[in-house]
Amino acid sequence: EVQLLESGGGLVQPGGSLRLSCAASGFTFNDYAMNWVRQAPGKGLEWVSGISGSGDSTYYADSVKGRFTISRDNSKNTLSLQMNSLRAEDTAVYYCAKDAARSSVYFFEYWGQGTLVTVSS
Amino acid sequence: EIVLTQSPGTLSLSPGERATLSCRASQSVRNNYLAWYQQKRGQAPRLLIYAASSRATGIPDRFSGSGSGTDFTLTISRLEPEDFAVYYCQQYGSPPRTFGQGAQLEIK
Repeated sequence: EVQLLESGGGLVQPGGSLRLSCAASGFTFNDYAMNWVRQAPGKGLEWVSGISGSGDSTYYADSVKGRFTISRDNSKNTLSLQMNSLRAEDTAVYYCAKDAARSSVYFFEYWGQGTLVTVSS
Repeated sequence: EIVLTQSPGTLSLSPGERATLSCRASQSVRNNYLAWYQQKRGQAPRLLIYAASSRATGIPDRFSGSGSGTDFTLTISRLEPEDFAVYYCQQYGSPPRTFGQGAQLEIK
């Protein structure tokens, strides 16, 4: 059974930083790309970032490019998202999502339960 | 980027009825790479359909997807109480991957 468990969310001031993590199990982690998808309160879904199975390729939405960094540790089956220069509009539930392929260009096959990030003073 | 527009925004139906949700793309979706997700209140999204018409693992056959190019449809043949939720379409034919704004399916 695929399981994705996010952690690291919380309250942070504008301009601050936060690091999210996702622990994966139930599949061969390095065979699949992984992603972060977010959902602002009461709003729709927005893809944020993706990383290939090997970790060699990374992808970002324009809204976070230059501020967020995605990474993975295939030896520990973990996915991370380093978020810097946070803004109020980054407030959202952040979901870890398993891609359907090795490259980060497909659909989101499995999702974690999400972790809430609140950016506010 | 491809903009996906879902309609109607809210659909009110009764259990046992047929639901039809639409997703229209601002340009043709390459290879009909269109997915549908269901999200219940307080839960993560769940994959229902991929490649426009292929059901994901464990999804009941009352859920079906159709369409091509710019127009896609999710049909739920006979609504069960647990089907009332928000539904999102998503395209993965052209980067960046984008979602529709969502469609609320509510009990009448």
